[in-house]
Amino acid sequence: DAGVIQSPRHEVTEMGQEVTLRCKPISGHNSLFWYRQTMMRGLELLIYFNNNVPIDDSGMPEDRFSAKMPNASFSTLKIQPSEPRDSAVYFCASSPNLYGYTFGSGTRLTVV
Amino acid sequence: DAKTTQPNSMESNEEEPVHLPCNHSTISGTDYIHWYRQLPSQGPEYVIHGLTSNVNNRMASLAIAEDRKSSTLILHRATLRDAAVYYCILRGYSTLTFGKGTMLLVSP
Repeated sequence: DAGVIQSPRHEVTEMGQEVTLRCKPISGHNSLFWYRQTMMRGLELLIYFNNNVPIDDSGMPEDRFSAKMPNASFSTLKIQPSEPRDSAVYFCASSPNLYGYTFGSGTRLTVV
Repeated sequence: DAKTTQPNSMESNEEEPVHLPCNHSTISGTDYIHWYRQLPSQGPEYVIHGLTSNVNNRMASLAIAEDRKSSTLILHRATLRDAAVYYCILRGYSTLTFGKGTMLLVSP
């Protein structure tokens, strides 16, 4: 099992540009989560999906952020337009039953 | 979810046992106690979880107080690779909410 796969590992972009982060969950896991980690705020849940359906997006900072899960094996988190304050490490996690989350290695986003 | 309180940091020597405490005085009857850890530059990693009884697995042991208002994660022999931030999290039927955790420093 390759685990949760996130891409890219690092992303540097200019303010105003669109950024798309990608996640492939573990096969058979029906829940998928996007978290963001910063020094100031720690790990924050942005959104989670169950069976490809968004269940709770209350953590999404603002309309510039959107997430999709078109099928059970793929999810994206998009920021448009990006701002310097969006700089953070973004983690994707999946779980078979809301217990025992498996996290990916994260995408380190830098917006300059 | 109910709140947990953990020390900001702890230090240990390699090969010695480590006891990481967590207070959760407002825990409800349906809350499970979960522990995750985050190694440097990695995503969080599941360690162990329990409800009422003590639990053991290959990574660690979890000792839960009889009144469930506190718990202790036990690493039986710390190694340098155990240096990480350890998170104690209470979960009912909701998602994982991470606090600040305890940074464990392990010295050779």
